[in-house]
Amino acid sequence: NAGVTQTPKFQVLKTGQSMTLQCAQDMNHEYMSWYRQDPGMGLRLIHYSVGAGITDQGEVPNGYNVSRSTTEDFPLRLLSAAPSQTSVYFCASSYSPGWAQETQYFGPGTRLLVL
Amino acid sequence: RKEVEQDPGPFNVPEGATVAFNCTYSNSASQSFFWYRQDCRKEPKLLMSVYSSGNEDGRFTAQLNRASQYISLLIRDSKLSDSATYLCVVNKGGNTGKLIFGQGTTLQVKP
Repeated sequence: NAGVTQTPKFQVLKTGQSMTLQCAQDMNHEYMSWYRQDPGMGLRLIHYSVGAGITDQGEVPNGYNVSRSTTEDFPLRLLSAAPSQTSVYFCASSYSPGWAQETQYFGPGTRLLVL
Repeated sequence: RKEVEQDPGPFNVPEGATVAFNCTYSNSASQSFFWYRQDCRKEPKLLMSVYSSGNEDGRFTAQLNRASQYISLLIRDSKLSDSATYLCVVNKGGNTGKLIFGQGTTLQVKP
């Protein structure tokens, strides 16, 4: 199993550009989520999905869109990049939602710089 | 007040030392508790779940105090390879899928 994969590893954008961060998992996990990590702060939840066709907002959803058309894939779209979106983005998946004693498996992260 | 609070450190300890980290959480409805480890510029990985009765995995012991709403992690006989950031993670409560991460505590083990 590849686990959770993310592409790209690094990206530089100009303000106003849009892009999609890709996330895929091959563990047949129902629950997937996107976090951003900034210095001095914990990981903050952007959006999550409890299954194909179902998504919901996390703590910091503004400026991001998600969709979940398949169990495997959970892309994150930046609609119009802003310097405040410079961060490290992690995708995670688990068999069941976070209220269960269930391991979250994280992808290797995407480092995004918005100029 | 942050929902999950940790002392960011860094904690600098010599090899072989015992070190303890605490974490406090604000939501009394939280039911799931974890410690994750994150190496520099890498993704977080589960170190251990934290159960009400406390649990131990080798040199690592985790404890939960629901009354005071804090979680602890004890590392005995520290190794150089234990140097990392330790993240306290708590579910938001109820049946949501939301996890709340502390900012992490950095441990540096010195030879």
